[in-house]
Amino acid sequence: AQKITQTQPGMFVQEKEAVTLDCTYDTSDPSYGLFWYKQPSSGEMIFLIYQGSYDQQNATEGRYSLNFQKARKSANLVISASQLGDSAMYFCAMREGAYGGYNKLIFGAGTRLAVHP
Amino acid sequence: NAGVTQTPKFQVLKTGQSMTLQCAQDMNHEYMSWYRQDPGMGLRLIHYSVGAGITDQGEVPNGYNVSRSTTEDFPLRLLSAAPSQTSVYFCASSYSPETANYGYTFGSGTRLTVV
Repeated sequence: AQKITQTQPGMFVQEKEAVTLDCTYDTSDPSYGLFWYKQPSSGEMIFLIYQGSYDQQNATEGRYSLNFQKARKSANLVISASQLGDSAMYFCAMREGAYGGYNKLIFGAGTRLAVHP
Repeated sequence: NAGVTQTPKFQVLKTGQSMTLQCAQDMNHEYMSWYRQDPGMGLRLIHYSVGAGITDQGEVPNGYNVSRSTTEDFPLRLLSAAPSQTSVYFCASSYSPETANYGYTFGSGTRLTVV
């Protein structure tokens, strides 16, 4: 069965510093996709970054990068140069079948990030 | 604007009442899903659909029904509301055959309270 684990209920970081949010996953499917979403206090789900299991390079999107370690089954989100607006809940999620397949996006419990000035 | 539209945004129900949460998307997405979000538990999948006329259960389907008569709409029905169904509900859609884009788009959520 799929499982997503986020072991950090809360994190804080100083503005302009980098922060890593941890995510480990468990699946027996060789084809899968990993997502990170941001949920600010307003409640909407904002897509940040995606990594497919067969992608050779780690995904990057602006200040976001995904540290994908397939053998360890980890997909940590790295936010560089943190900004006050990065304060939010962050969710790691996984879908079996990297390019479609099943429509089951399974989420971790989330990490609440607080950025301090 | 293109996207996923959920209505209502807020709802209070009495125990035993029924209601339908609406979800509509205009991106010709094949896949649609319903999630509930409870504190400390992330989002849990209730039901999903891979196309019109095809639905299946997710992790927490009990107490909910869905149907998918059109590509655009995927309503979620609460048959007899219970306080345990107090939650925030999100609808999400994904996969556009035209663009082969598998990204998920979420609605803005429905905050439901059952008293």
